[in-house]
Amino acid sequence: DQQVKQNSPSLSVQEGRISILNCDYTNSMFDYFLWYKKYPAEGPTFLISISSIKDKNEDGRFTVFLNKSAKHLSLHIVPSQPGDSAVYFCAALGGSDMLVFGKGMKLTVNP
Amino acid sequence: DTGVSQDPRHKITKRGQNVTFRCDPISEHNRLYWYRQTLGQGPEFLTYFQNEAQLEKSRLLSDRFSAERPKGSFSTLEIQRTEQGDSAMYLCASSAGSSYGYTFGSGTRLTVV
Repeated sequence: DQQVKQNSPSLSVQEGRISILNCDYTNSMFDYFLWYKKYPAEGPTFLISISSIKDKNEDGRFTVFLNKSAKHLSLHIVPSQPGDSAVYFCAALGGSDMLVFGKGMKLTVNP
Repeated sequence: DTGVSQDPRHKITKRGQNVTFRCDPISEHNRLYWYRQTLGQGPEFLTYFQNEAQLEKSRLLSDRFSAERPKGSFSTLEIQRTEQGDSAMYLCASSAGSSYGYTFGSGTRLTVV
C-alpha cells in the first residue's frame, strides 16, 4: 500500500519555464512533508519541507504547496534550470522517525 | 566533516554469501538510519538508531539482516545468506535528533548474482 504517491514518473520542461511536481498521500497522520533531489550515484539531498500547519513554503526558486483537505502537495521550480534535472522524491513524516517516500519523478530540464 | 560516508560503494556477491556494509555518520549526529532503494522505487525504511540503541525496525528487515551501532558512532548492516532479491542500493542517513535534518550518504549498491 503506497502511502505517498508520485503518479507521474517523469516530466520534461524547457529551461526558464516552471516545473510542477505533484505528490499525493493517504495517511492522515502525516504532518511533515519533504522533497528530496537525487542525482545518479548519489544519495538523496534535502530540498525543501513544509509542516502541515502551513500551506506554502518558499526557498528561492523552490516553493512547496500543501493542500491538506486534498492530501496533495506540489513542488514548483521557477525558473527551471538544466542543473535541476534529477529524480525528485516526495517524503512524509507522521508520529514516528521514519520517512515514507514516494517512487520519485525524473525531471529533465532542456536547454 | 565530509558528510555521511558509506563503504563500499559497490558490492557484487554470490547468492548465499554474507555481506557487511559500513556507515560513518556526521560526527555530531546521534541518529542513524538505514534505507533500501530498489529500481523504480523510493527509499524504504529499514531501521534506525539513537546513539547505540536500535529504536525501530521495519518488517522489511528479515532475520537475515542485522544492524549494529556499537559505540553510537559508525554502524554496520550485515546481510546473511544473500538472495537475489537483496540486490538494491542501501542508503545510510544521519540526523542531529530531528528527522527533518536527514543527511544521506551516497549509498552502497549491492548486486547478488
